[in-house]
Amino acid sequence: DIQMTQSPSSLSASVGDRVTITCRASQSISSYLNWYQQKPGKAPKLLIYAASSLQSGVPSRFSGSGSGTDFTLTISSLQPEDFATYSCQQSYSTPYSFGPGTKLEVK
Amino acid sequence: QLQLQESGPGLVKSSKTLSLTCTVSGGSISSSSNYWGWLRQPPGKGLEWIGSIHYSGSTYYNPSLKSRVTISVDTSKNQFSLNLSSVTAADTAVYYCAREVLSDYNWFDPWGQGTLVTVSS
Repeated sequence: DIQMTQSPSSLSASVGDRVTITCRASQSISSYLNWYQQKPGKAPKLLIYAASSLQSGVPSRFSGSGSGTDFTLTISSLQPEDFATYSCQQSYSTPYSFGPGTKLEVK
Repeated sequence: QLQLQESGPGLVKSSKTLSLTCTVSGGSISSSSNYWGWLRQPPGKGLEWIGSIHYSGSTYYNPSLKSRVTISVDTSKNQFSLNLSSVTAADTAVYYCAREVLSDYNWFDPWGQGTLVTVSS
């Protein structure tokens, strides 16, 4: 099975900051990497698929990059509605697996 | 737009079977380009994929749960269902259903709102 890790586990930032979250796979997964945003008590929302493709309707301040084992999610200028937990997910092979999440908090 | 909604008991006794249904609206479950998945999230923990089903009935499961999981589909009702047998406290979680989009790269979108299932002794 492929293990997914994320860093940091939590992050404090301010509105307007540029933020980067890292996701690492235990083996190469090419570009089979998705990013989700989750707010408390809500379902995950797809942000990025195939490592760098922006889901329709998602603001362009979100971007994803990477391939192989190392991936990043970047928010170019944090907005108040972006404070949430972000999780990565590999779809290279089953069982699909998720990272433990990165909680983005207000500084 | 496509919407998914989970339904089922919020409390299940230990050793019994957890049963949930996901109703799909705003689109047909009988799409060849989609699978339909179940995922869960224990309180304060990360997400776990349980398994997925195609409208044809083809399924694939997480091996860690495979011996206890059955996912089925009812195209006439635009629903798919999850049965998880012999539950324990470790199965307490928010359970989500989601569309698994099939492409060169698969992903889950959209998701249902989720339903908390608590396993009691």
